[in-house]
Amino acid sequence: KQEVTQIPAALSVPEGENLVLNCSFTDSAIYNLQWFRQDPGKGLTSLLLIQSSQREQTSGRLNASLDKSSGRSTLYIAASQPGDSATYLCAVSGGSNYKLTFGKGTLLTVNP
Amino acid sequence: DGGITQSPKYLFRKEGQNVTLSCEQNLNHDAMYWYRQDPGQGLRLIYYSQIVNDFQKGDIAEGYSVSREKKESFPLTVTSAQKNPTAFYLCASSTPPGHPSNEQFFGPGTRLTVL
Repeated sequence: KQEVTQIPAALSVPEGENLVLNCSFTDSAIYNLQWFRQDPGKGLTSLLLIQSSQREQTSGRLNASLDKSSGRSTLYIAASQPGDSATYLCAVSGGSNYKLTFGKGTLLTVNP
Repeated sequence: DGGITQSPKYLFRKEGQNVTLSCEQNLNHDAMYWYRQDPGQGLRLIYYSQIVNDFQKGDIAEGYSVSREKKESFPLTVTSAQKNPTAFYLCASSTPPGHPSNEQFFGPGTRLTVL
């Protein structure tokens, strides 16, 4: 059974700092990995999708990497802003029904 | 605007009552999903549908039912058999599963509270 772990559970940083969020998964047989953002009381916003054959994806100040063999992904946020404050969720797609398995998320607070 | 809509935003259920949550998408996606989110837990899959008139149970389907009569719509009914239905419910859609670029998009959610 696939399990996804996100570390740390919460992170507080000053504005302007570069930061890294971590995601690990137990079964390396995945189709892809997605990073999402969730604001309080809202739905999920897809940030980046990395296909199993890819090593990284970039969008603006965000860069996500994938190391399938070690079961790890990182989300790098450059020059953090207060508007980046949210919960960040990692999810992997795999198995016979390609379902997404989610981590519990990292709650990020960027202080002005 | 293309996207996923869910209604209502807030829903209150009395004991023994069935309620239906609406999910509509205009992204022309074949696959649709229902997830439940509880505080301190990751999202858990309730039901999913890869094509019209077909759907499969997820990890926590007991006490829930769905239908998929139209490509755009995937309503979820929370029945009285669901003993702890208070949660945040999220609907998602995607291109057919199994493709490496398959990406799931989510609606804004419905918060269900049992009175």
